[in-house]
Amino acid sequence: EADIYQTPRYLVIGTGKKITLECSQTMGHDKMYWYQQDPGMELHLIHYSYGVNSTEKGDLSSESTVSRIRTEHFPLTLESARPSHTSQYLCASSAGGRYNEQFFGPGTRLTVL
Amino acid sequence: AQTVTQSQPEMSVQEAETVTLSCTYDTSESNYYLFWYKQPPSRQMILVIRQEAYKQQNATENRFSVNFQKAAKSFSLKISDSQLGDTAMYFCALSRGNYGGSQGNLIFGKGTKLSVKP
Repeated sequence: EADIYQTPRYLVIGTGKKITLECSQTMGHDKMYWYQQDPGMELHLIHYSYGVNSTEKGDLSSESTVSRIRTEHFPLTLESARPSHTSQYLCASSAGGRYNEQFFGPGTRLTVL
Repeated sequence: AQTVTQSQPEMSVQEAETVTLSCTYDTSESNYYLFWYKQPPSRQMILVIRQEAYKQQNATENRFSVNFQKAAKSFSLKISDSQLGDTAMYFCALSRGNYGGSQGNLIFGKGTKLSVKP
């Protein structure tokens, strides 16, 4: 079944650790996105990609980095986690086209102690 | 700059009643798309309904319908016959037009937390 997956779903980690949040989709979508969402708040776009080897920064400045080596995979990395990175991270993908409807993953809730 | 405003942080409705969630937006694009997304507690965000700005007819999806007022830049969501499963955060979103390479990127409002009470 075509879907979008994120792992881990929950992560508690200490300050200074390097972390990678995984996002994969089996829908064959070219476009992928990372959003940051604090509890009960709006989504802020932090990174997006329109295809392999294409990545752009979003509206919200983030210390994270992303890569897009394969169409289906769009991991997000934090080289040195800090408490200010505590948030929920949502991955999404879309096929483009007229509506460019985005499909969302279940999210990763990150807590940095 | 494009913005989306949801002025109702929280709302509640009795089961089987009708509720309307408000959304206003601002954009200088001539064509654009508007969306309502639903985020249930601890569950995945899903698309509820979408509307193209060029279409005057209001979109409907089963119990969900919109009131799209282009001149007023208003895009409200009406939920009829509310069900307990409608309890969720609802986000209004606007897609960017062809601007600076970010075509199709979404701008979200702050959300409205809807509680459906039995």
